[in-house]
Parts: sequence; C-alpha cells; structure tokens
Amino acid sequence: LAKTTQPISMDSYEGQEVNITCSHNNIATNDYITWYQQFPSQGPRFIIQGYKTKVTNEVASLFIPADRKSSTLSLPRVSLSDTAVYYCLVGDIRNTGFQKLVFGTGTRLLVSP
Amino acid sequence: EAGVTQSPTHLIKTRGQQATLRCSPISGHTSVYWYQQALGLGLQFLLWYDEGEERNRGNFPPRFSGRQFPNYSSELNVNALELEDSALYLCASSPTVGQGREQYFGPGTRLTVT
Repeated sequence: LAKTTQPISMDSYEGQEVNITCSHNNIATNDYITWYQQFPSQGPRFIIQGYKTKVTNEVASLFIPADRKSSTLSLPRVSLSDTAVYYCLVGDIRNTGFQKLVFGTGTRLLVSP
Repeated sequence: EAGVTQSPTHLIKTRGQQATLRCSPISGHTSVYWYQQALGLGLQFLLWYDEGEERNRGNFPPRFSGRQFPNYSSELNVNALELEDSALYLCASSPTVGQGREQYFGPGTRLTVT
C-alpha cells in the first residue's frame, strides 16, 4: 500500500472552507484514494473516494492532480461538528490486500466558533 | 438499514484474563475486519474474515484470534490480556471481496485491562 503523508493538525473557524492535502508519491496505477472521518470513540466513516480529477458528493470534494501524487479533501463551510480526525488512504480496492486498510495518524481538524 | 453492531460497549478485564468481543456486520456483507486503536494512536489492522475464513492478519501475536460464523458475525478473542491491550477495538464490514469500495465501521468496544 502506498504510504501517505498528511498534516498532523489543522485549525479553522465555522463557515470557512478547509482543504486537507495528502501526499502519496508512490501511488500505483490501480490505486484509489479514499478519505475517512473519525470522531472520538467512534469508528471511522467513509467520506469520499476517487481515482483522478475531481469527485464531489454531498459532504466533500476530492481533488486529484494529473500526476496523482497528492490529493486534497475539501470541506465547504465547516461547522463545529466537523471537528474530527481525517484519514487519507491509498490502495487498489480491487486487490484483496486493500481489504486491510492501513490508516496513518490522520489530520486532526479543530473547528472553532 | 442497520449498521455494524458491536458488543459489549465497554469491557473491563484484569491482566491474564481472556476477552471476547462480538461483531455483527451489515446485512449482506460477508467480510468482517477487526482493528485496534490505542489511545491517541491510529488504527492498526488486526484480522480480516470473509466467508468464514481468515484472509489476512496484521502484526499481532497469536493470542489475538477470532472466527466468523455462518451468519457472518464474528468474534475477536484476546487471550492472556496485557495492560497494553487496552484500546478501542473496531469492527468493520464490507460486501464480498472485490465488490466493496468502502468499509463500514461499528461503534467499537472499549477494552480496559487493569
């Protein structure tokens, strides 16, 4: 599985847009990029997944440049409830090896009033 | 649709005892995964079961074991408990291998070893 690097923590205020960047320099051709969100004492929750360019759903957008060596999770107009740890994972979802998700330390986002 | 459920919510054991944690996957999901999350740390992959078989395990000693039942529910057993086994144990499920694009996590079992 490709190793990922994320900032340890980020601070923001309510209503702002937050962009969390993940580096994955050795991403493989068949690898997808997936982001999870985790609140304290809860299991991670799937946010978004993509392969290239841009993916958008009801909660976030994922931007992936052409070289796919990084990706950016964008959270529009964050609220206090978005305070959580965000994990970036890279792997081939079709490969059985990806079934064991390898979580890094994640990015701890703190949203203040 | 009911999510992944785990029991018990909290479990307190003393060193040397055995702990059994249970997980029920989302209906229709055949794969179950177990993770350990020690306080302040990231998730560490423990075990993966699919169709009743152990498919993969992480870098944990053999005293961590488990099984998957015909109804796809799963048990995680930790023998000879040590203080450092205190952690949040998370179970996740996904559809059959090759079809799942994401894992759905349960609320976890908080194991405390004293």
